[in-house]
Amino acid sequence: GAGVSQSPSNKVTEKGKDVELRCDPISGHTALYWYRQRLGQGLEFLIYFQGNSAPDKSGLPSDRFSAERTGESVSTLTIQRTQQEDSAVYLCASSPGLLEQYFGPGTRLTVT
Amino acid sequence: GQNIDQPTEMTATEGAIVQINCTYQTSGFNGLFWYQQHAGEAPTFLSYNVLDGLEEKGRFSSFLSRSKGYSYLLLKELQMKDSASYLCAVREGRGSTLGRLYFGRGTQLTVWP
Repeated sequence: GAGVSQSPSNKVTEKGKDVELRCDPISGHTALYWYRQRLGQGLEFLIYFQGNSAPDKSGLPSDRFSAERTGESVSTLTIQRTQQEDSAVYLCASSPGLLEQYFGPGTRLTVT
Repeated sequence: GQNIDQPTEMTATEGAIVQINCTYQTSGFNGLFWYQQHAGEAPTFLSYNVLDGLEEKGRFSSFLSRSKGYSYLLLKELQMKDSASYLCAVREGRGSTLGRLYFGRGTQLTVWP
């Protein structure tokens, strides 16, 4: 079956512009996660959605970052007024429960 | 909070055995995961430990000691395709925060012929 998909795969934007990243989780997966991976660094947790519960936003680095999820399907991560330090690969993962997380291929964001 | 430490790089020879260590400091420990990440690709799940002891899955095994805040990933009969970054991740939390994972920086393993 289809895995987690993300779009776009690459995004180059100018400093100060807003960007929107999309994640399509595996059908039926109730949990969805966003992570950020800077070059040579580990994965940094951003936000976690679980069913209809309030999302865990504790990893969002600033109020320029926000994310939404429609039911148990698509999620969008929005970064407003992008800065050069936002350049990273943004990874989305989904999970049917509390064990294995299935990762998407990521969106590579470059802020010039 | 959490503090996850693993070696940055390791090298080994094809056919050999390698052990990748991970130490962590955390409150509310609720499981330890190992992921494999090839360059330019997404991480893929390898193993999960929540109780002390060894979990074996084919050529890969993972060990956990909660009292020592220590885990290792053991790779046997190394193959060239095992060259990748290996990520140690700790799950911490209760209730609505239970799903969150904290990742180490990863250990880049290079397997030589």
